[in-house]
Formats: sequence, C-alpha cells, structure tokens
Amino acid sequence: NAGVTQTPKFQVLKTGQSMTLQCAQDMNHEYMSWYRQDPGMGLRLIHYSVGAGITDQGEVPNGYNVSRSTTEDFPLRLLSAAPSQTSVYFCASSPGTGVRTEAFFGQGTRLTVV
Amino acid sequence: GENVEQHPSTLSVQEGDSAVIKCTYSDSASNYFPWYKQELGKRPQLIIDIRSNVGEKKDQRIAVTLNKTAKHFSLHITETQPEDSAVYFCAASAGDYKLSFGAGTTVTVRA
Repeated sequence: NAGVTQTPKFQVLKTGQSMTLQCAQDMNHEYMSWYRQDPGMGLRLIHYSVGAGITDQGEVPNGYNVSRSTTEDFPLRLLSAAPSQTSVYFCASSPGTGVRTEAFFGQGTRLTVV
Repeated sequence: GENVEQHPSTLSVQEGDSAVIKCTYSDSASNYFPWYKQELGKRPQLIIDIRSNVGEKKDQRIAVTLNKTAKHFSLHITETQPEDSAVYFCAASAGDYKLSFGAGTTVTVRA
C-alpha cells in the first residue's frame, strides 16, 4: 500500500512552459485535492475532487487545471508557468464516506519557475 | 469562505516545557478541526483531530481543545522533546471535504 504518490519530486520550468504534476493513490479514496505551500502562508487549496468525473475550484485555482478520470489519479496541469507558481505542491486524499477523516498527503513536488 | 488564523508563527521552548498553539476560525459551520505536523522537507501528517461535538481530546503528550462559542481551538504539547521540533498547522472544515489551513507555527525545542 503506497498511499499517495506524487511525481516528480523536483522540477524546474521556464516561464511559459506547461507541465503536469502526477498524483496517484491506492487507498480507494473518493476525495482528492491539490495544495500549494508557500512560506508563511500555510497550505492553500488549488482544486479538489469528490469523485471520478467531478472537480471544483479551491482558493487559488488560476493558472491550473485538473481532471479526475479515475478514482486513483488526479493530475494537476500548469498551463503556462509563471514565476508566481514557484512553490511546493502537495496532493492529498481522504475517504469520501461523509465522515470527516484524515487527509493523507503525498511527498510533495518542489517546483521552480525561472 | 473559511478563514483560519494561527498564532504564534514561531515558538521556542525549553525541552520538558509545554507548548501551546492557538487558532481561530470564521465559519460557524466548521465541524472538523485537525492538526498536522510537518518536519523539514517532509509531508504534513495528522497528529490529532477533534470534531465539533467534543470539547477536548488527548493523545499521550498532545491535546486539543475546542471552544465553539468563541470559535477557537488550541493544541497543547506537554513535556516537549527535541523530536517535537517541526511546523504545526491547524485546519478547519465545514463538512464539504475542503480543509482551510492556518499559516503554521514553527516550534523549536531547545535541549
């Protein structure tokens, strides 16, 4: 049971490039989400999904797209990278049974946009 | 949306002393309040959580209290040890699976 797996762990992009951050979970969790972590700002929600085929915007969605074609995978796409998107990105999943339970985080992706 | 404020931003304690971190939330509909610990370069991990129908919860050296009327909750760590040094985040959820996090508290335990 690997939990939540994110790839890559590190990435450097040039301004204007696009890329996809991968996230996969093997716990059959319904709920998945993406956060970005910046110094002094905690974790801010980018996008989330309550199940396959369903996604919604979080607090800071601009510049990012997501899709949820399967329960296991929840990729995050940067459409045209900007220096302001330099951050550490975390994917998380939790059971979607209607009872609030623990969110499990991936190991994070450190993204630098130059 | 929910707004969670966390204080202090940094906390230095002597080993063996207690540490207290306080958070306030804005949405009276919030009913779930987890605390996460993040060691340097690692992922956040849940250390304790509390639901709105409970006022206090304890797990060994850590405890959380919740005051729904005042809309604040606190994390208490007793008998601090060097391995307690980390960044701690509080969070709140209003029942729609979305967690709103505080800005974090960097705790340093001095030997």
